[in-house]
This record gives sequence, structure tokens and C-alpha cells, in this order.
Amino acid sequence: AAGVIQSPRHLIKEKRETATLKCYPIPRHDTVYWYQQGPGQDPQFLISFYEKMQSDKGSIPDRFSAQQFSDYHSELNMSSLELGDSALYFCASAGLAGGPRNEQFFGPGTRLTVL
Amino acid sequence: GNSVTQMEGPVTLSEEAFLTINCTYTATGYPSLFWYVQYPGEGLQLLLKATKADDKGSNKGFEATYRKETTSFHLEKGSVQVSDSAVYFCALSDLVALNFGKGTSLLVTP
Repeated sequence: AAGVIQSPRHLIKEKRETATLKCYPIPRHDTVYWYQQGPGQDPQFLISFYEKMQSDKGSIPDRFSAQQFSDYHSELNMSSLELGDSALYFCASAGLAGGPRNEQFFGPGTRLTVL
Repeated sequence: GNSVTQMEGPVTLSEEAFLTINCTYTATGYPSLFWYVQYPGEGLQLLLKATKADDKGSNKGFEATYRKETTSFHLEKGSVQVSDSAVYFCALSDLVALNFGKGTSLLVTP
């Protein structure tokens, strides 16, 4: 079965650079979530989209933005990168309109390292 | 606000031992509860879930029962294997997204 695809899997950037992370949800899933997991930490919710519209925001810094496109893939744009942005970034998708009660399927994550 | 508290690790067990990882939650309303597993270097995989009180989620020999009276969702397995070594996250869903516990690292030795 098709899973959530994230690219790139690994990314190394310098401080103050920008980064773009991509997420391709499971086919026919209309909801995408982004999470950030720092080293040894639990995942923290950043932002979510439903039917190409932002639905909720969590602890996403103002330097970050995201969007969901017409084909339902999503991109997380990160600017003015800081050392503290080094983390594993997960995308998850869900298939029904009922909100987060429905099962979220996670991608393998993008490991961002900021030097 | 909503939150999840799970026992701190690391937990080290011998193969075939009994496993319990405690998880309690604080939530308004009636959240759904989940256990996710993260193997080294990999993403999060849903292990099991329960959507209402007294529901029991089970998968791959793991079980957890949604206990509203004790606000708990403890993870259990009768006989662990070396391949179960991973980090286990308890989570609840509110109206926004998943709230995760801090994770419990499990190491099973032969």
C-alpha cells in the first residue's frame, strides 16, 4: 500500500539559509499535518491543512510557512534557519474529513541539520 | 489543556518478559488514544488505538485499554522480543492534532 512520502530524507543547511521540505500524502487523503521532533523529544505539532486550506496552527515559528497544493502535497518552507531548527520533521496524512480522530499515517521524516 | 504523561525510560527487559508502559492523560471531552512506535532511524508507526472508553486496542501482541475512570491507556505485551526494541509514544487526539507523551525507550535483550 502507498505510504506518505517525504523528501528529502536528509538535509544539511547553514545558519540563516532557507529549506523546503515536501510531503506527498497517501492517495485520496485530504488532510496533512506537520510535526517537529527534536533530539530525544516527542513530536510537536506545527501546522495542518485540510482540503488545501490551513486548518490549525501549533508551535510553528513565524520564520516557517507551509501550504497544501491542488494535488494535496504539502511543502514546509523554513527561512533564516537557526541551530535549534535541527530536528526530524514528520508529515502525516489522514483520509476523512472528521479531523484528527481519524488515524494519522506518518511519513519517514526529513532529518534537517543546521550547521 | 490536553496532555499525556508516560513512564520514563529506558526500560530494559529480557526476551519473553512481560511489558507494561504506563500512560495517563488529561483531556477535555472524549479524545481518541493511540500508541505509536518508532524504531531506530525510522518514522512513527501506529501500533494500536482506541476511540472510546473501555475500548481495547491490540496489534502484534500489544494491548491497551482505554480507561476513562483512571484516565489511562497502559501498553502491555505478554512476551517481548528483541525486535520490539524501540521508542513507544502514547498520544491523544484533540480537536487540533496529536498530543504525544515524551516517549519510553524499550530495550529487549536476548
